[in-house]
Amino acid sequence: AQSVTQLGSHVSVSEGALVLLRCNYSSSVPPYLFWYVQYPNQGLQLLLKYTSAATLVKGINGFEAEFKKSETSFHLTKPSAHMSDAAEYFCAVSVSGGYNKLIFGAGTRLAVHP
Amino acid sequence: GAGVSQSPSNKVTEKGKDVELRCDPISGHTALYWYRQRLGQGLEFLIYFQGNSAPDKSGLPSDRFSAERTGESVSTLTIQRTQQEDSAVYLCASSIGGNSPLHFGNGTRLTVT
Repeated sequence: AQSVTQLGSHVSVSEGALVLLRCNYSSSVPPYLFWYVQYPNQGLQLLLKYTSAATLVKGINGFEAEFKKSETSFHLTKPSAHMSDAAEYFCAVSVSGGYNKLIFGAGTRLAVHP
Repeated sequence: GAGVSQSPSNKVTEKGKDVELRCDPISGHTALYWYRQRLGQGLEFLIYFQGNSAPDKSGLPSDRFSAERTGESVSTLTIQRTQQEDSAVYLCASSIGGNSPLHFGNGTRLTVT
């Protein structure tokens, strides 16, 4: 069965520092992978998705993620954190079968301090 | 354009009461999903609609939970005889179908007292 593990429920970085949010997945078939962001009191917004094309995926707001099959990982990075990046980030894997049933990780809350 | 709309945004109910949560998907989106997000946890899949049929109801936690959808439009999630463990944010998402990305609403925060 597919599953997602996000290492670190809370990550804190300084403004301008590298952001690294970790995601490992388990899937018996080639996965579709997603990162979503949830700002306070808002719904989830898609950051980026991997659908078996390029292994390095660029998303919105300067975020990117690299699919590494050998490590079953899909870590999210951003070279320089902004205060506005403070939010909760969710990694998800799609169970194949003709529709986009997402299995989510538990989420990582990112704090950015001056 | 308009996104996924959910109502009410907040609902407080007494244990044992029934509640109905509403989702208006993006126009033209044939696929609709319901998820539950408990405090401090990730999202749990509840049910998937393609049009007005629900080929995957595997995430509904008990027979107190049911959902329906009118055509390719509004969906309602009904929880009967609510329990305190039902307290959560219920999120609705829609898409154009297949493996296309989901567009989420802002959710309904349900509190059962």
